[in-house]
Amino acid sequence: DAKTTQPPSMDCAEGRAANLPCNHSTISGNEYVYWYRQIHSQGPQYIIHGLKNNETNEMASLIITEDRKSSTLILPHATLRDTAVYYCIVRVVSGNFNKFYFGSGTKLNVKP
Amino acid sequence: DAGVTQSPTHLIKTRGQQVTLRCSPKSGHDTVSWYQQALGQGPQFIFQYYEEEERQRGNFPDRFSGHQFPNYSSELNVNALLLGDSALYLCASSSGVMGLYEQYFGPGTRLTVT
Repeated sequence: DAKTTQPPSMDCAEGRAANLPCNHSTISGNEYVYWYRQIHSQGPQYIIHGLKNNETNEMASLIITEDRKSSTLILPHATLRDTAVYYCIVRVVSGNFNKFYFGSGTKLNVKP
Repeated sequence: DAGVTQSPTHLIKTRGQQVTLRCSPKSGHDTVSWYQQALGQGPQFIFQYYEEEERQRGNFPDRFSGHQFPNYSSELNVNALLLGDSALYLCASSSGVMGLYEQYFGPGTRLTVT
């Protein structure tokens, strides 16, 4: 059922940029890409989303390739508190309703 | 604003029993979705409620059922529990505005079936 593939884990040095890749090669034209993160089995927390254009907010940047088959989440200056599982999600629209398809996520380990 | 709340936090049940989990959405939200997250895996969509009706459903058997109340809160019921139903059950609420849609997740209910 998953529409995204992500590496299972990544390491990043504190203060450096963390670049988390995601493949969503079967995405359709009206399906958004979302990123959430989950810390210590708490509820997932929203980070950012996009459709075609690159997006930036106070937490992160989202770079989507022109063919929309992949994207990269960028945390510009990773801190130890950014250690979490990061999920790349495709939002599928069905009529007026939406469904989130989660992948298996990437465990980001930020190291001092 | 309390955000999305879920109860109970933890629950232990025996195989064959039935369980009810509860969710109160974030203020202003009218849509509730339920997810099952097995250990080490991403959340899997169970179903979604809007205007007190199930609107979408994932690949889960009929043992999983739900309800939404007029105040938008929701329940997830699981009958004839199996060991494989042990998981973190997450509730997410939203207000469906196209292009601005965002789900807010609760802290989850940890269900253990023995």
